[in-house]
Amino acid sequence: EAQVTQNPRYLITVTGKKLTVTCSQNMNHEYMSWYRQDPGLGLRQIYYSMNVEVTDKGDVPEGYKVSRKEKRNFPLILESPSPNQTSLYFCASSFSPDNPGETQYFGPGTRLLVL
Amino acid sequence: AQTVTQSQPEMSVQEAETVTLSCTYDTSESDYYLFWYKQPPSRQMILVIRQEAYKQQNATENRFSVNFQKAAKSFSLKISDSQLGDAAMYFCAYRRRRYGNKLVFGAGTILRVKS
Repeated sequence: EAQVTQNPRYLITVTGKKLTVTCSQNMNHEYMSWYRQDPGLGLRQIYYSMNVEVTDKGDVPEGYKVSRKEKRNFPLILESPSPNQTSLYFCASSFSPDNPGETQYFGPGTRLLVL
Repeated sequence: AQTVTQSQPEMSVQEAETVTLSCTYDTSESDYYLFWYKQPPSRQMILVIRQEAYKQQNATENRFSVNFQKAAKSFSLKISDSQLGDAAMYFCAYRRRRYGNKLVFGAGTILRVKS
């Protein structure tokens, strides 16, 4: 089954404790992206990757890191989480990075609470 | 920068009735796509419908249709014969044709369906 998976689905942590949210897709997609969803703001892009070892900042990259060592995986790293990073996070992927009409496949979301 | 505005934070509709969700966007581009996504309580992001800016014909997917007014930069979603399963948050989104570009989302509209 074609899918994007994220782990964990729920996470409660404390300020400053490094964490990683994993994202994996099984569709051989080139393009992967991370979004955060906050009430009243919709979804905003954090980082994206157009292929292995190619990543770039989105609209709200502060406090986050990513890596793309393998085509299927795109982990989101919070080196020192803060309460303002409490949010719902989505990973998304699509085959091509430059076809705007192409369907983006979203993961199930990760609910993060930083105390 | 592109922006997407959904001016209705919440809408209600009676089961079997028709409801229209509004969306406006701001862009100077001519080549882009517009989307409506549904987010049920499970938080999964589900693509409902997409519209290519160059196509004058409004997109339709079963009970879902759009009214795309390119000059007015308006992209409303009409849901006919509303069902209880339509209750969700609906996001309008924009994506232009540019390498690696992102989906730009509106803040969302919560749709409640009354039986």
